[in-house]
Amino acid sequence: DTAVSQTPKYLVTQMGNDKSIKCEQNLGHDTMYWYKQDSKKFLKIMFSYNNKELIINETVPNRFSPKSPDKAHLNLHINSLELGDSAVYFCASSQQFDGSYEQYFGPGTRLTVT
Amino acid sequence: TQLLEQSPQFLSIQEGENLTVYCNSSSVFSSLQWYRQEPGEGPVLLVTVVTGGEVKKLKRLTFQFGDARKDSSLHITAAQPGDTGLYLCAGGFQKLVFGTGTRLLVSP
Repeated sequence: DTAVSQTPKYLVTQMGNDKSIKCEQNLGHDTMYWYKQDSKKFLKIMFSYNNKELIINETVPNRFSPKSPDKAHLNLHINSLELGDSAVYFCASSQQFDGSYEQYFGPGTRLTVT
Repeated sequence: TQLLEQSPQFLSIQEGENLTVYCNSSSVFSSLQWYRQEPGEGPVLLVTVVTGGEVKKLKRLTFQFGDARKDSSLHITAAQPGDTGLYLCAGGFQKLVFGTGTRLLVSP
């Protein structure tokens, strides 16, 4: 039973296209996230939703739009893809525990823009 | 902006050796977490430390949170090839800031 799942695992597309990545968690967590990991393996938060409400919105281009239909799902839509968008995108979920939010990550979606 | 610097960036050792990875910041964190990431997978949580000076052990891994809650270390005793991976520290409350990462390679 996969706790946090993402689709697709790999996504290769051309500049200017629009694409979506889907994420689902079956852990019953209230909070979900999107992270971007660049080629140097630096992991940076993009968005966070708590019970379908956007609570964290980092400095991300408007071309990126998250959507949470319910607290178990958080999708990421990207418009007008650019070369610099190539990266691995991770979905994660968490629940507050002992004063911290421990993250459970999905397997990642490797996006390659050509 | 809170930053977490990890050192070393890369470590290549032989099986059986000991090693320590450091995670440093000029900011105080309410808690620090350590994750391990293997190629093609997402990071997996190893431990969370919340009290200054706290030491936690996970088999051959020992985690310490600095007294001032600005730094942390991960010590691995008798490293094994299965320890190979990218180690990430992360600090913060709801919004985590991740460290720069340490790539560990343990050769048989």
